[in-house]
Amino acid sequence: AQSVTQPDIHITVSEGASLELRCNYSYGATPYLFWYVQSPGQGLQLLLKYFSGDTLVQGIKGFEAEFKRSQSSFNLRKPSVHWSDAAEYFCAVKLTSGTYKYIFGTGTRLKVLA
Amino acid sequence: DAMVIQNPRYQVTQFGKPVTLSCSQTLNHNVMYWYQQKSSQAPKLLFHYYDKDFNNEADTPDNFQSRRPNTSFCFLDIRSPGLGDAAMYLCATSRDRDTQYFGPGTRLTVL
Repeated sequence: AQSVTQPDIHITVSEGASLELRCNYSYGATPYLFWYVQSPGQGLQLLLKYFSGDTLVQGIKGFEAEFKRSQSSFNLRKPSVHWSDAAEYFCAVKLTSGTYKYIFGTGTRLKVLA
Repeated sequence: DAMVIQNPRYQVTQFGKPVTLSCSQTLNHNVMYWYQQKSSQAPKLLFHYYDKDFNNEADTPDNFQSRRPNTSFCFLDIRSPGLGDAAMYLCATSRDRDTQYFGPGTRLTVL
């Protein structure tokens, strides 16, 4: 069955430090890949997405993600974290055809130390 | 700005008292979704509309119903809320099978 794994439930980084959030998926073909961010009590905001082409994707708020087919991974990165980045981050995949359904990872909660 | 709007942002209801949550969108997207998200969990898809075609997830309880009177609006009806239905309810939209855009959510409390 298709699945998405975010192995880190919680991550704490200092403001200004770099960040990498991990996402691995299990699916026979390359799905559509997404990263969303959710601040407390808010909806999900799209950070970036990968459908095809260049495997390094730039998103909003200074985030980027790299698709690695060989590792079935789509890790999210930011070179310098800001206190306002503290939130929950969800990786999601969607099969490329025949469905509207997203499969979400369980999320990674990011804490930023001043 | 084009967006997905959910009303109310916070809803309190009593055990067993029907409640309706509202979602509207100015994106003119043809697909609308309802998700349930419990604390520290990923969103769980309840159902979606492709235009007027309703698609229920197999594990969505019968207690949850939905209406889509037109392209812009979609409602989630919970016929007899139980304590276990307390959650954040998220509406999302997409154009066909493209990217989903989420509203801010409605936090439902059941007393």
